[in-house]
Amino acid sequence: AQSVTQPDIHITVSEGASLELRCNYSYGATPYLFWYVQSPGQGLQLLLKYFSGDTLVQGIKGFEAEFKRSQSSFNLRKPSVHWSDAAEYFCAVALSNDYKLSFGAGTTVTVRA
Amino acid sequence: ETGVTQSPTHLIKTRGQQVTLRCSSQSGHNTVSWYQQALGQGPQFIFQYYREEENGRGNFPPRFSGLQFPNYSSELNVNALELDDSALYLCASSERLGNTEAFFGQGTRLTVV
Repeated sequence: AQSVTQPDIHITVSEGASLELRCNYSYGATPYLFWYVQSPGQGLQLLLKYFSGDTLVQGIKGFEAEFKRSQSSFNLRKPSVHWSDAAEYFCAVALSNDYKLSFGAGTTVTVRA
Repeated sequence: ETGVTQSPTHLIKTRGQQVTLRCSSQSGHNTVSWYQQALGQGPQFIFQYYREEENGRGNFPPRFSGLQFPNYSSELNVNALELDDSALYLCASSERLGNTEAFFGQGTRLTVV
């Protein structure tokens, strides 16, 4: 069955420390891959996306993600987190011949001073 | 800001009632998708409209219906509300059909009591 898994429900990180959020997918073909961020009570903002080409993708707010086909993963990273990065992060996938985004359950990031 | 606006922002309804949620797409976008996000979960695809016609539907019953208008604004209608319909409802507009970037609105928080 097709699925998107975010193994970490909640991550706490110190301000200035690095952050890595995991995302694994299970699809028959390589899907289009996305990371979204959601602040409390807000909609979703696209951080970055991967369609094809270079497997290391740069996004907004200093985030990057690496697509690893062999591991069916698309992990999100940030070298140094800021308190404003505290939010919910969602990995999402879409098939090239499909029209809907399928989201993981999300990872809540807490940033401590 | 994405240019996608939703109204109302919050809504309380009684079980069995009907509700209409509205979305104004970003200018020039002819595709709109609706998602339901229950508390603590990732968004779930409800359906998509392209040029005023439904273009795909997720695993939601027929009491969830929609409309898209010539100006590309759209509505989500839910009949016979159930307690489990309580959620954040998000609309997302895209410039064209397919897997381009989807811009999300802030959402409508629906509470069914």
